Amino acid sequence: EVQLVQSGAEVKKPGESLRISCQTSGYSFTSYWISWVRQMPGKGLEWMGRIDPSDSYTNYSPSFQGHVTISNDKSIRTAYLQWSSLKASDTAMYYCARHSGSGSNPIFDPWGQGTLVTVSS
Amino acid sequence: QSVLTQPPSVSGAPGQRVTISCTGSSSNIGAGYDVHWYQQLPGTAPKLLIYTNSNRPSGVPGRFSGSKSGTSASLAITGLQAEDEADYYCQSYDSSLSVVFGGGTKLTVL
Repeated sequence: EVQLVQSGAEVKKPGESLRISCQTSGYSFTSYWISWVRQMPGKGLEWMGRIDPSDSYTNYSPSFQGHVTISNDKSIRTAYLQWSSLKASDTAMYYCARHSGSGSNPIFDPWGQGTLVTVSS
Repeated sequence: QSVLTQPPSVSGAPGQRVTISCTGSSSNIGAGYDVHWYQQLPGTAPKLLIYTNSNRPSGVPGRFSGSKSGTSASLAITGLQAEDEADYYCQSYDSSLSVVFGGGTKLTVL
């Protein structure tokens, strides 16, 4: 069974750094891209960016370019999303999702369970 | 404001049929990019419901169907059930903005 298991909820202060993770199992990690998707409280889904685990090539939405960094560690089949300086507006649920289908228009299946990030002073 | 436009809410009685529209433009759906649909039950992660316009993954009931025409796509749900109450999102690709989602539609089963 393909599974994406995300790290637990985080509570941080503005200006702090953070890295959340998405550990995968049940398939060849380097054969499928992984994306990160943001969902702010009570709002819709926003695609942030994606990574090709085979070579760590990344592609970001213009809305998130420069604000977050996506990376991975092949040895532990895990993808990461990180911030160097959090803002209150980063408060949201973050999902990782595995790609299926073509690279330009991926089908997201399955999804991780989500990581809630709360940024508050 | 989302690149793909969905109605904020739809509703229907058990057993009825409802449709959810997803309207794009010539830079996304109208450019030939496929549309995928996701169901997000309250408090849970999104789940793939329809892929490549009209295909159902294994395990998704036949009550759910999708279609695409021109710059729009639609999700239809027949024989509404209480457990269908959820948020529904369409997703495609935009030549200028990359992967894009609709704003989401909240389905209420009356």
